[in-house]
Amino acid sequence: QVHLLQSGDEVKKPGASVTVSCKASGYTFTTYGISWVRQAPGQGLEWMGWISTFNGNTHHADKFQLTLTMTRDTSTTTAYMELRNLTSDDTAIYFCARDAHYLDFWGQGTRVTVSS
Amino acid sequence: EIVMTQSPATLSVSPGERVTLSCRASQSINRNLAWYQQKGGQAPRLLIYASTRATGIPARFSATGSGTEFTLTISSLQSEDFAVYYCQQYNNWPRTFGQGTKVEIK
Repeated sequence: QVHLLQSGDEVKKPGASVTVSCKASGYTFTTYGISWVRQAPGQGLEWMGWISTFNGNTHHADKFQLTLTMTRDTSTTTAYMELRNLTSDDTAIYFCARDAHYLDFWGQGTRVTVSS
Repeated sequence: EIVMTQSPATLSVSPGERVTLSCRASQSINRNLAWYQQKGGQAPRLLIYASTRATGIPARFSATGSGTEFTLTISSLQSEDFAVYYCQQYNNWPRTFGQGTKVEIK
């Protein structure tokens, strides 16, 4: 069965970077892209970006163009999201999701807390 | 980017009632819209894409629409359906979500 397993919760200081991993299993990794979505406390879902697991091409939401890097490792079927220059506004739960255009399977979420 | 607007923000309903949620796109997205359900603290769950129910989704959930106007209908609300519902367009980059509709117990 399809499963996306994300890395554990993180606490970071303002200005730092965070990397979240998303290990996929149960399907052919390179057949579907991975989208990253976040949810700030008490807020809605915010789409951040997408990576093609086939060739590494990416699309970003405008606000993340300069601070978000998405990569993937096909040998370990893992996608990664790095967010740089963190501020308190980046405190959120970060989700990866298998992207079949719609997001049909989701990781469990990784809580990132930015605090001095 | 395409702005997705959901209404109402909150819906208070009783179990067994019929519920209709709306989602509007700022420009045509053809039929490229998905609906998700999210319960507190959990990852969202895909309900419907392009009016097609995802695997395992009960038949009481249905969706219609194309272009800019879309609706999600729950024919008879069950206790497990109290949640927040989001629409998301996948016609254009960047993908965008609506702000959500909370369905709460009346």
